[in-house]
Amino acid sequence: GNSVTQMEGPVTLSEEAFLTINCTYTATGYPSLFWYVQYPGEGLQLLLKATKADDKGSNKGFEATYRKETTSFHLEKGSVQVSDSAVYFCALNPFSGSARQLTFGSGTQLTVLP
Amino acid sequence: EAGVAQSPRYKIIEKRQSVAFWCNPISGHATLYWYQQILGQGPKLLIQFQNNGVVDDSQLPKDRFSAERLKGVDSTLKIQPAKLEDSAVYLCASSLDAGTDTQYFGPGTRLTVL
Repeated sequence: GNSVTQMEGPVTLSEEAFLTINCTYTATGYPSLFWYVQYPGEGLQLLLKATKADDKGSNKGFEATYRKETTSFHLEKGSVQVSDSAVYFCALNPFSGSARQLTFGSGTQLTVLP
Repeated sequence: EAGVAQSPRYKIIEKRQSVAFWCNPISGHATLYWYQQILGQGPKLLIQFQNNGVVDDSQLPKDRFSAERLKGVDSTLKIQPAKLEDSAVYLCASSLDAGTDTQYFGPGTRLTVL
């Protein structure tokens, strides 16, 4: 079956620190990979995506590279801000380019202190 | 472009009562999803529609949950009767068509069952 395993939280960093949130996956097909962010009291917002091996998704200073050999899609940011405090979800769609259900990880709570 | 709209944002009911949630997807989006997000977990799919047809309802507890999308636009999710374990955030998402894997989420409805 399909599954996503995320780094356990919560994660607390100081402003301008480097961020890594680990994500590994198991999929039976050729998945698309996503990172979503959920701010307090809001729904999920798409942060970035990658659709095939070695693709790099990027947005708002965040990056993640689709690594097929290690089945990973780790999220990184070079310098976090207080406004990045949120819950981050890694997700996969088992069939890239097709409208199918997303399988999500359990989420990682990030708190950035000033 | 308006995003996915959901109402109500919050609902508190007693167990064994019924409740309904409404979702209006992004204009022109043919695919609509309902997810259940229990506190501390990632969202899990309940049902997926393509236009007004059901694509996947394998994880919908059909003895108490029902959903419809009669005209292929907005959708209603109903729970009758509610149980304590139904307390969760119900998220609606949409994507453009059957060949698009990026989903856009609404703000969610937070249900508390007492």
